[in-house]
Amino acid sequence: AQTVTQSQPEMSVQEAETVTLSCTYDTSENNYYLFWYKQPPSRQMILVIRQEAYKQQNATENRFSVNFQKAAKSFSLKISDSQLGDTAMYFCAFMNTGTASKLTFGTGTRLQVTL
Amino acid sequence: DGGITQSPKYLFRKEGQNVTLSCEQNLNHDAMYWYRQDPGQGLRLIYYSQIVNDFQKGDIAEGYSVSREKKESFPLTVTSAQKNPTAFYLCASSPWRGTNTEAFFGQGTRLTVV
Repeated sequence: AQTVTQSQPEMSVQEAETVTLSCTYDTSENNYYLFWYKQPPSRQMILVIRQEAYKQQNATENRFSVNFQKAAKSFSLKISDSQLGDTAMYFCAFMNTGTASKLTFGTGTRLQVTL
Repeated sequence: DGGITQSPKYLFRKEGQNVTLSCEQNLNHDAMYWYRQDPGQGLRLIYYSQIVNDFQKGDIAEGYSVSREKKESFPLTVTSAQKNPTAFYLCASSPWRGTNTEAFFGQGTRLTVV
């Protein structure tokens, strides 16, 4: 069974600074997807960034980038130039691509961006 | 507009009653999922379905049931066997394969037992 672990329940960063959120996962699959989702106080889940396991290049989306280490089963999210609007819960998620695919989430990291 | 719709937004249930949460999508996605979120916690998978008339149990399926009679719809029934049903429920859908795979979420349903 796949598991996703986020070891940082809460983090804080000052505006304009950089912060890195950690995520590790466990799987025996070779092909899969990894995601970071953001959940603001509205509770709407918003996709931040996506990584396909077969791609060696780390995904980037504007201020958001990942460090994907397949051998170490690590998938961290870096937020550069943090903004107050980045304050939210951040969830790491795993989806395998087999016939019994399912989407599994970590327990989340609560990020607070301060002035 | 394409999207995924959950209803109702708020739902109150009396002890011993079954209630059904609605989830509809018009994204033509094959896969649909139900998650439960408790305060300050992550998303736990209840049930998921990859194709019409087929679904699998997730990590916390006890006390819940689902059906997938149509591709667009994946209703969740919270039965009286679920001893602690008060939570926030999220429905999601995904094409689950392809280069643009991602899960799209509904707005959620907050269920409260009174």
